[in-house]
Formats: sequence, structure tokens, C-alpha cells
Amino acid sequence: DTGVSQDPRHKITKRGQNVTFRCDPISEHNRLYWYRQTLGQGPEFLTYFQNEAQLEKSRLLSDRFSAERPKGSFSTLEIQRTEQGDSAMYLCASSLTGEQPQHFGDGTRLSIL
Amino acid sequence: GNSVTQMEGPVTLSEEAFLTINCTYTATGYPSLFWYVQYPGEGLQLLLKATKADDKGSNKGFEATYRKETTSFHLEKGSVQVSDSAVYFCAVMYSGGGADGLTFGKGTHLIIQP
Repeated sequence: DTGVSQDPRHKITKRGQNVTFRCDPISEHNRLYWYRQTLGQGPEFLTYFQNEAQLEKSRLLSDRFSAERPKGSFSTLEIQRTEQGDSAMYLCASSLTGEQPQHFGDGTRLSIL
Repeated sequence: GNSVTQMEGPVTLSEEAFLTINCTYTATGYPSLFWYVQYPGEGLQLLLKATKADDKGSNKGFEATYRKETTSFHLEKGSVQVSDSAVYFCAVMYSGGGADGLTFGKGTHLIIQP
């Protein structure tokens, strides 16, 4: 059973650098979601895709953030000009449809020096 | 918008004790309700769900009933084990014209002592 895969598991970078994370959803899952989780908090919704179309973006997703899912399979989340406040765990989830439960990857932990 | 309030932790219990973790929500329409669990060093896993009023979700001895009149989805287990030690997240999802992302509570850290 191949679950949601995220890469890298941990990213350490200096403030001002750009970073990109990758998410491979469960095969045939049409929906793909990105969340951010900070210490002691629950995950917060960032954005989601229905196949290759990005259908919703949270207010949390500033202009420095961009997400793509070019072929409706894997997705990337890029953060430009990283700031201290971007330090968090970035979670990816996928589901077969919008009504089905979301399955989460193990996340990418971003640390900004 | 949607919001979820769950009891603060950590919650510390002895093995075989009865567990209740309270969760209440605010949401428009008729959301689906979920409990997710995060074991130490692991990712979020779906524990159980309920999609309409009076539905009872259950899994691994855990249960939660969708109470629309009290907007609650409390998690219960009759006899906890050390292996149940984890962080538990209550979540709501409203699918209907807006964002289909989950709204999570802050999580409740459960510690079971032998």
C-alpha cells in the first residue's frame, strides 16, 4: 500500500532563500491538499487541487507561496524569500474525491536559520 | 468560517481507564466530522469519521457520535492502553461551495501510564 509521499523530510535553509517541496499523492486520488502545522497547533489549510486545477487558496498563502500540480499527479509547493515565520511542518494530503477522507503524508519540516 | 475547539492537554490516564476527549465545532451547513491521530514520530492517520447527524464513527475501540444539536463530536474509549498515547485532532470539513480543506482543532496530547 503506497501512501502519500513527501520529499524532503526535513529542509534547513537560510532566511531569504527559496525552497521547494514535493508531494506524491496516492495513485488515482484526484484531490491533493497542502497544510501547514506549527508547534502545538493543528494543521492549517493552505490550498487544494482537483486534478491539475488549483481550486482554493487560503488567506495564509501569501504571494511568496506558489503551488503547482502540472499533470494532475505530484505537486510542488515553493516558498520564495523565506522568512522566520515560515518555519513549520508542511503536510500534504490526498483523497479520491472531495467527500472521501484525506490521507496524509509524513510532512516536510522546514527550519529557517 | 469553520472552527473546532477541543479540550486542552496533556491528558494523563492510567491504563484501562475510560477516555473522553471533548470536541465542539462551528460550521455552516452539514459538515463531515473526523478524528485524526498522530503517534510519536509518525504522520496524521484517520481514526474515525461521521458524515451526518447521529452517525457513530468507530475504530480500534474508539467511538464518536455526530451530535448536531450540541455541535459536538466527543471521542471516547472504554479502556485505554499505553499504545494509545498520541496526539488526537478533531477536524471538520464542509463541502459546499467553499474550501474543501479540513479545519482542525489544536490537538489533545494523550498520555497513558502503565
